[in-house]
Amino acid sequence: QVQLVESGGGVVQPGRSLRLSCAASGFTFSSYDMHWVRQAPGMGLEWVTLIWYDGSNKDYADSVKGRFTISRDNSKSTVYLQMNSLRAEDTAVYYCARRGGSSSVVYFDNWGQGTLVTVSS
Amino acid sequence: DIQMTQSPSSLSASVGDRVSITCRASQSFSSYLNWYQQKPGKAPKLLIFAASSLQDGVPSRFTCSGSGTDFTLTISDLRPEDFATYYCQQTYSIPFTFGGGTKVEI
Repeated sequence: QVQLVESGGGVVQPGRSLRLSCAASGFTFSSYDMHWVRQAPGMGLEWVTLIWYDGSNKDYADSVKGRFTISRDNSKSTVYLQMNSLRAEDTAVYYCARRGGSSSVVYFDNWGQGTLVTVSS
Repeated sequence: DIQMTQSPSSLSASVGDRVSITCRASQSFSSYLNWYQQKPGKAPKLLIFAASSLQDGVPSRFTCSGSGTDFTLTISDLRPEDFATYYCQQTYSIPFTFGGGTKVEI
């Protein structure tokens, strides 16, 4: 079955960096676009970034543009989120999600369990 | 960016009730609308995609209607396992914004 497992979260000081990983299994990873979505404590969901199946296209929410970088290694079935210049407002549970659908239909059909990032001095 | 507004933000209901949650978009699109269910401490779960298509394994008591800017998720015959928070999401344009969520409580 499809499995997405995030790792790399933790407590980090403002201005520092952190890299999250999402290891995928149970499907042909190299055929799927992947996304990161975050959720601040007690708050709603916020889409963060996406990467196409082959890594050729990426996009970001304005709130993280220029600070976060998404990448993937299809040989390892893993997607990464490099987070630099972290701020208190980046504190959240970070989920990776698989894009379902085809053509213009987009939805997130499988999600990881999430990893908590806390930005605090 | 497309803003997604859900109402109500919370509602109280009983087992067996029929409840409806509305999602309004700041601009019109046809069917690029998804619904997710989230339980405390868990990842969101896809319920409905493309405005009206039920994800595999999701009970038929979950339905969605609407187009343009207004969409409604209806849960018929509410079950104990349906008490959760529900989010709509547009995937018409990036950023793929979510509604603020609706908590369905007993």
